[in-house]
Amino acid sequence: NAGVTQTPKFQVLKTGQSMTLQCAQDMNHNSMYWYRQDPGMGLRLIYYSASEGTTDKGEVPNGYNVSRLNKREFSLRLESAAPSQTSVYFCASSAMASNTEAFFGQGTRLTVV
Amino acid sequence: AQSVTQLDSQVPVFEEAPVELRCNYSSSVSVYLFWYVQYPNQGLQLLLKYLSGSTLVKGINGFEAEFNKSQTSFHLRKPSVHISDTAEYFCAVRLLTGGGNKLTFGTGTQLKVEL
Repeated sequence: NAGVTQTPKFQVLKTGQSMTLQCAQDMNHNSMYWYRQDPGMGLRLIYYSASEGTTDKGEVPNGYNVSRLNKREFSLRLESAAPSQTSVYFCASSAMASNTEAFFGQGTRLTVV
Repeated sequence: AQSVTQLDSQVPVFEEAPVELRCNYSSSVSVYLFWYVQYPNQGLQLLLKYLSGSTLVKGINGFEAEFNKSQTSFHLRKPSVHISDTAEYFCAVRLLTGGGNKLTFGTGTQLKVEL
């Protein structure tokens, strides 16, 4: 019962470095999402993929890119990390129907120094 | 565009006391409503959801929520809290149709249960 798996769980980057956060789900879900969580700001949507082959910007896309590699995998890339990108990142997935819940991974805690 | 407001950032309460966590939403079209809970250093898990029908929805761990369309609210309640309910609670909305199936979250309410 893996559900949504995110790697890595923790990461420290230097300003200007790049990295890719990986996310995979085994529930055959069509929709996948990347959120960031910051104190007092809740979860803000970075990018989402309503279905395989499509990606769209969310509320805070600047500084990020995504790839929907296949139905299972949705990666988030930081091309040139900045301290403002220090956050906890969550990947989630859901079935296509809007009345279904989203399932979340355990999160990636990223610190940019 | 839809939005969610959780006015209370923190709610302290004594064990076995009742609690209400407030959620108000804004949307020009019909929405589905969700409450999620996040325990420390974990991801989010679903507490309950309102799709249609009865406005009182029961969820896991003794929580319930009432949908009020006229007040655009979806407040979460529990009649008697336990120490283990200490967590952060998020209200979320999703459009019935369109919107890319995305969930929009409120800023969260930290529930702290004290002895």
